[in-house]
Amino acid sequence: AQSVDQPDAHVTLSEGASLELRCSYSYSAAPYLFWYVQYPGQSLQFLLKYITGDTVVKGTKGFEAEFRKSNSSFNLKKSPAHWSDSAKYFCALGNQGGSAKLIFGEGTKLTVSS
Amino acid sequence: GGIITQTPKFLIGQEGQKLTLKCQQNFNHDTMYWYRQDSGKGLRLIYYSITENDLQKGDLSEGYDASREKKSSFSLTVTSAQKNEMAVFLCASNTGYQDTQYFGPGTRLLVL
Repeated sequence: AQSVDQPDAHVTLSEGASLELRCSYSYSAAPYLFWYVQYPGQSLQFLLKYITGDTVVKGTKGFEAEFRKSNSSFNLKKSPAHWSDSAKYFCALGNQGGSAKLIFGEGTKLTVSS
Repeated sequence: GGIITQTPKFLIGQEGQKLTLKCQQNFNHDTMYWYRQDSGKGLRLIYYSITENDLQKGDLSEGYDASREKKSSFSLTVTSAQKNEMAVFLCASNTGYQDTQYFGPGTRLLVL
């Protein structure tokens, strides 16, 4: 069965620090992976995705993520963090089998204090 | 660019009532999705449709019906609203497999 785990429900850090939000997945074959962001009161916005190829992918708003097959992870990174990055971040998993379905993690709420 | 619109923004119903949510997209996308987001939680897929008149069940389809009569629109019906269904319903669309999903603003459902 496929699953996505975002182990940190909340992350708090100071503006200017480096942020890394964790995402691990369970899937027996090659995955494709997304990160989305949800600002308070808003819907989800796309940040970046990994399909194949380069394991470090760059996205919008200065974010990047690294796909690591060895430990089934796809962590989101940004440095430095800004107070405007405060939001909820979702990791999502798709499979290479042709299905359009995504499985979403429960999200990590990020608070960046100024 | 394009946009996804969802109507209504807020939907208040009575327990046991049949309620319909609507979604329209002008991206000309083939695939459309309905998700439910409970407070503080992630998204769970209810139904999706890969083309007009197609319907595919997600993990949370029980208690819901869907309809895709046109490429640009996708409706979701709560067949019998329950109090534990208070949530935000998000519609999304994309061209299909591996493509980025774009999300609408959501419909917030309140069942009295």
